[in-house]
Amino acid sequence: EVQLVQSGAEVKESGESLKISCKTSRHTFSTYWIGWVRQMPGKGLEWMGIIYPGDSDSRYSPSLRGQVTISADRSISTVFLQWSSLKVSDTAMYYCASTTEPRGFFDYWGQGTLVTVSS
Amino acid sequence: QSVLTQPPSVSGAPGQRVTISCTGSSSNIGTGYYVHWYQQLPGAAPKLLIYDNYNRPSGVPDRFSGSKSGTSASLAITGLQAEDEADYYCQSHDDRLSGSGVFGTGTKVTVL
Repeated sequence: EVQLVQSGAEVKESGESLKISCKTSRHTFSTYWIGWVRQMPGKGLEWMGIIYPGDSDSRYSPSLRGQVTISADRSISTVFLQWSSLKVSDTAMYYCASTTEPRGFFDYWGQGTLVTVSS
Repeated sequence: QSVLTQPPSVSGAPGQRVTISCTGSSSNIGTGYYVHWYQQLPGAAPKLLIYDNYNRPSGVPDRFSGSKSGTSASLAITGLQAEDEADYYCQSHDDRLSGSGVFGTGTKVTVL
């Protein structure tokens, strides 16, 4: 079974940078695409983007392209989601999830990382 | 604003059947992209419930079923149980968004 373990909750101020992580096994890292899903407080799920860690091929939702960066580090089988300058509106729960293809379903999910951004 | 529309809420008594619709368009569901469904219990990560329109992952009860027709899809829950009270989301992809994924607006299922 695929296991995705996310980094812990973060509390940041507006304008700060942040990088959260999603660690998986070496097999999963080289086989699956890993995506990120945002859920703002009290709201629905939002598809952010995905990456194939094998070659770092990444795809983004048009609404979020340029706002975040998805990357991968093969040496530690970890995928990252990062911001260069956080906004209060980035406050949300962020989930990583695995999929076998870029236009597929998410079959396994991480536990979520809560990011809180204050002004 | 999502391109996949779901009713905000549905409710039913234990044992009843409820359905959740997911309405899209010719650029997503109608163009042939598969529809998937997720269940999110309070305070938990989403869980895959139905994939590729009507398939159930191992461990998902057969009380849950999915269908697709034209530009819409549906999730049916038969024999509603208290533990089915959760939020449900459909998901597909959209050509107008460069093929990126999209989730539905979400539906809260309440067991009366």
